[in-house]
Amino acid sequence: GESVGLHLPTLSVQEGDNSIINCAYSNSASDYFIWYKQESGKGPQFIIDIRSNMDKRQGQRVTVLLNKTVKHLSLQIAATQPGDSAVYFCAENMREYGNKLVFGAGTILRVKS
Amino acid sequence: DTEVTQTPKHLVMGMTNKKSLKCEQHMGHRAMYWYKQKAKKPPELMFVYSYEKLSINESVPSRFSPECPNSSLLNLHLHALQPEDSALYLCASSQVRMNTEAFFGQGTRLTVV
Repeated sequence: GESVGLHLPTLSVQEGDNSIINCAYSNSASDYFIWYKQESGKGPQFIIDIRSNMDKRQGQRVTVLLNKTVKHLSLQIAATQPGDSAVYFCAENMREYGNKLVFGAGTILRVKS
Repeated sequence: DTEVTQTPKHLVMGMTNKKSLKCEQHMGHRAMYWYKQKAKKPPELMFVYSYEKLSINESVPSRFSPECPNSSLLNLHLHALQPEDSALYLCASSQVRMNTEAFFGQGTRLTVV
């Protein structure tokens, strides 16, 4: 399943399928990006990051892709599990403002068993 | 220890009350942050401290007053709040150097009545 946009869309996927969550960032000067997962009642939890000199980075079951030309990030989750159900946010570090980490709108991921 | 601890977890206060939110970390991070998060929205940056000095204030109303008494503690003093200030207040910390992840606490759920 795949989601697009910045208005807290919902992505529903079947357990075991791959998920793709998309994010458009705003500042072409941003040079560092993070994906966070936020479960209900909890703070955001780091998933994976990527620097602007890379276009792909892989973690355990997750891959982040960065397309600087169109200012787009995606998070791919392989073999999605019920525990992956949460809100996912991308965040960009705006270098010219110091340590200013700005969040995108987020995507709700629902995993059906 | 990779925890950011926030107290209290929940707070209900009247519009004439004065209260404080507290945040503590022992990761040796010298950048600390306050974010505000409304329901179904991304966290919004309020303040950033670097080396215990306020480095970013995102035009936050003066009824919110941050304080960083030492490198491990961050407070947010609240006075004369409005009901629309009800939200989840998140504290985060990171290393000061660029391109580094921020670790978040679980947040304080604030209700102004």
